[in-house]
Amino acid sequence: TQLLEQSPQFLSIQEGENLTVYCNSSSVFSSLQWYRQEPGEGPVLLVTVVTGGEVKKLKRLTFQFGDARKDSSLHITAAQPGDTGLYLCAGAKTNAGKSTFGDGTTLTVKP
Amino acid sequence: DTAVSQTPKYLVTQMGNDKSIKCEQNLGHDTMYWYKQDSKKFLKIMFSYNNKELIINETVPNRFSPKSPDKAHLNLHINSLELGDSAVYFCASSQDFASGRAKNIQYFGAGTRLSVL
Repeated sequence: TQLLEQSPQFLSIQEGENLTVYCNSSSVFSSLQWYRQEPGEGPVLLVTVVTGGEVKKLKRLTFQFGDARKDSSLHITAAQPGDTGLYLCAGAKTNAGKSTFGDGTTLTVKP
Repeated sequence: DTAVSQTPKYLVTQMGNDKSIKCEQNLGHDTMYWYKQDSKKFLKIMFSYNNKELIINETVPNRFSPKSPDKAHLNLHINSLELGDSAVYFCASSQDFASGRAKNIQYFGAGTRLSVL
């Protein structure tokens, strides 16, 4: 059973479109991170959210942590080809010593 | 300077062989991790060390043996390689393992792509 489920698994859109990726769980997390991974590279951190209901913006990317700290979303406005990659969410529980990763969303933005 | 570096980047070997992957971080972090990413891109933790001590061992076959000579290095030795071991292995580090605001943010290496033939 996957602790963190991401949807959609695959997304292919045209440049300029908007999109939302979801990360859902039945567990409560003390913090949640979003990473982007490009082919041949390791995941790179985009953002960390820690407070229920928190919204963070990173240029065209908007991240939201659910009120109950069980889910999160990533919204990209006016997607660009450079946004192409694998997006991973990861949830951490207090002093658990590890983060659990979601199953990933592969985004392709076509020019 | 690369923050988390792994070697080798590619490793092609025969079934039954023994191989090692090395990882070094220059961030001064206390905690290091090994992850396995399968063909479906699912990233699963294998081990975590904090200050050279093992803190996480996620039901990994005992053919996999991590070793941390100091807190800046975490190597992974794999005995009797099997076809199912083929994957990309990522090393990562974080300031600490506690789930404080920034302490458990992980920085990843570029990965080692292991192919067992």
